[in-house]
Amino acid sequence: EVQLLESGGGLVQPGGFLRLSCAASGFTFSNHAMSWVRQAPGKGLEWVSAISGSGGSTYYADSVRGRFTISRDNSKNTLYLEINSLRAEDTAVYYCAKSLSSHDYVWGSYRSFDYWGQGTLVTVSS
Amino acid sequence: EVVLTQSPGTLPLSPGERATLSCRASQSVSSTYLAWYQQKPGQAPRLLIYGASNRATGIPDRFSGSGSGTDFTLTISRLEPEDFALYYCQHYGSSPPITFGQGTRLEIK
Repeated sequence: EVQLLESGGGLVQPGGFLRLSCAASGFTFSNHAMSWVRQAPGKGLEWVSAISGSGGSTYYADSVRGRFTISRDNSKNTLYLEINSLRAEDTAVYYCAKSLSSHDYVWGSYRSFDYWGQGTLVTVSS
Repeated sequence: EVVLTQSPGTLPLSPGERATLSCRASQSVSSTYLAWYQQKPGQAPRLLIYGASNRATGIPDRFSGSGSGTDFTLTISRLEPEDFALYYCQHYGSSPPITFGQGTRLEIK
């Protein structure tokens, strides 16, 4: 059974730092690109970042580029998101999501997210 | 960037009725890049349809997707009580960014 379990969220002051983790199990982690998607309270879904299966390629939404860093440790089956210079508008539930396709390359046909974690809440407030 | 516009914003229907949800893309896209998700309160999204018309594993056959170019549709043939939720379309293509529509809320009439 595929499982994705996020952790690391919490209350942080503006300008602060957080490191989110997503522990994966039930599939060959290194074979799949992974993404982070966030959802602000009462709002829609916003893609944040993606990483290839090998970890060699990373991609970011314009809204977070330069402040967020995605990485993965395939030996630990874990995905990470480091968030610097946190802003109020970063307040959201952060989900990790697994790409349906078992290709290292992030982009292409049939890449939608077939499994999602339960999410971890990040609240930025003083 | 592909902008997805979903309509209607809210769709009030009764159990047993047919639901038709629309997703319009700002430019023509490959159908292989279009997906639909269902989200219930307090839960993560669930993949329903990928490649515009392919049901994900475990999704009942009352859910179907269709469309091409700029216009895509999610149809629920006969609504069950558990189908009342938020629905999002997604474009996940050949380059970033991945985009989502703003959602359609399917509510009980």
